[in-house]
Amino acid sequence: DAMVIQNPRYQVTQFGKPVTLSCSQTLNHNVMYWYQQKSSQAPKLLFHYYDKDFNNEADTPDNFQSRRPNTSFCFLDIRSPGLGDAAMYLCATSGRVFGQGYEQYFGPGTRLTVT
Amino acid sequence: KNEVEQSPQNLTAQEGEFITINCSYSVGISALHWLQQHPGGGIVSLFMLSSGKKKHGRLIATINIQEKHSSLHITASHPRDSAVYICAVRSRGAQGGSEKLVFGKGTKLTVNP
Repeated sequence: DAMVIQNPRYQVTQFGKPVTLSCSQTLNHNVMYWYQQKSSQAPKLLFHYYDKDFNNEADTPDNFQSRRPNTSFCFLDIRSPGLGDAAMYLCATSGRVFGQGYEQYFGPGTRLTVT
Repeated sequence: KNEVEQSPQNLTAQEGEFITINCSYSVGISALHWLQQHPGGGIVSLFMLSSGKKKHGRLIATINIQEKHSSLHITASHPRDSAVYICAVRSRGAQGGSEKLVFGKGTKLTVNP
């Protein structure tokens, strides 16, 4: 089935040790999003790619970077994780058409623990 | 005031009860989503609405664009419906033409057997 896949589902990293989370999609959607969700809070958009165009949210820390080498894959890099970066990281995709409300399809998320 | 408000914040029901979760929003939207998130899990999209009403199994979603209000109904609720239900509206982003979701804080539903 077409879907949004995130690996790994659970990731443990050490304070300050760079970590990369991955997302892949078989939907051929042109937009890919990364959200951060902390416990009992709504997801917070970090950034998104519209095709190859990177769109960063104004309040996303510089510690968070992203790469999209092709349509199918998108990576979230945390350069120096702090304890406050422990969260669920959600990847989502959506199709192209403006104003026609294409659904966002969410991956299962990667739960990041920082020790 | 949040752009998307949900009520109630927490809801406990007995199996079989009819459940309603409400969502009000204050921004212009192109669509509204109802999402489901089980504890520790990812998000599943239940509905996307821009007008009227949609039904999928025991779930019904309605939207009134003029009143900027949507409701999610669950008929014959079951313990497996226990989850957080999130209302999110699609507003147009400033860059690239991509539309961003603005999320409500969610409604935690617990259905007891």
